[in-house]
Amino acid sequence: AQSVAQPEDQVNVAEGNPLTVKCTYSVSGNPYLFWYVQYPNRGLQFLLKYITGDNLVKGSYGFEAEFNKSQTSFHLKKPSALVSDSALYFCAVRDGGSSYKLIFGSGTRLLVRP
Amino acid sequence: GAVVSQHPSRVICKSGTSVKIECRSLDFQATTMFWYRQFPKQSLMLMATSNEGSKATYEQGVEKDKFLINHASLTLSTLTVTSAHPEDSSFYICSARGTGGTGELFFGEGSRLTVL
Repeated sequence: AQSVAQPEDQVNVAEGNPLTVKCTYSVSGNPYLFWYVQYPNRGLQFLLKYITGDNLVKGSYGFEAEFNKSQTSFHLKKPSALVSDSALYFCAVRDGGSSYKLIFGSGTRLLVRP
Repeated sequence: GAVVSQHPSRVICKSGTSVKIECRSLDFQATTMFWYRQFPKQSLMLMATSNEGSKATYEQGVEKDKFLINHASLTLSTLTVTSAHPEDSSFYICSARGTGGTGELFFGEGSRLTVL
């Protein structure tokens, strides 16, 4: 079965510093990987996805993620964090085959301090 | 990106009553919609997959008679929580699959249900 793991419950970073939110995956076949962000009492907003092609994927709001097949990782990164980036971040993998179901990680809360 | 509207955003009801939550794709047709449930400080748990014109497919452990899902048109899916109890209180989020081949999902803003 497909799964993703987010090993950190929370990541703290100072504004202006680079941030990384970690995600590792376990899939059979080719991975379809996604990152979403959730603000309090809101739905999820799509950030970026990896389907195929370049290992470095650029997404919304200056975020990017690097697909690493050998380490089965898909870490989310941003060169310079903003206070407004503080939110809950979810990594997700598409369930296999023709299903478009997403399996979500446990989420990582990002706190950017001024 | 595509817009998914969810209504109501908040609902409070008495125990034993039924509550309906609507999920609409506003600017695209969604043949497939998904319903998720999220407990406080937890991840999203898939409840069911809703396909237009057919019965929903429920995940293991989700009571289909408790959570009725209807997907009568290409732009509307509804989730009805029947005979709600306090343990049904949660944040319910729908998502709809876009028409692109990569299957990107667009999410509604969520509906917070509180059962007294």
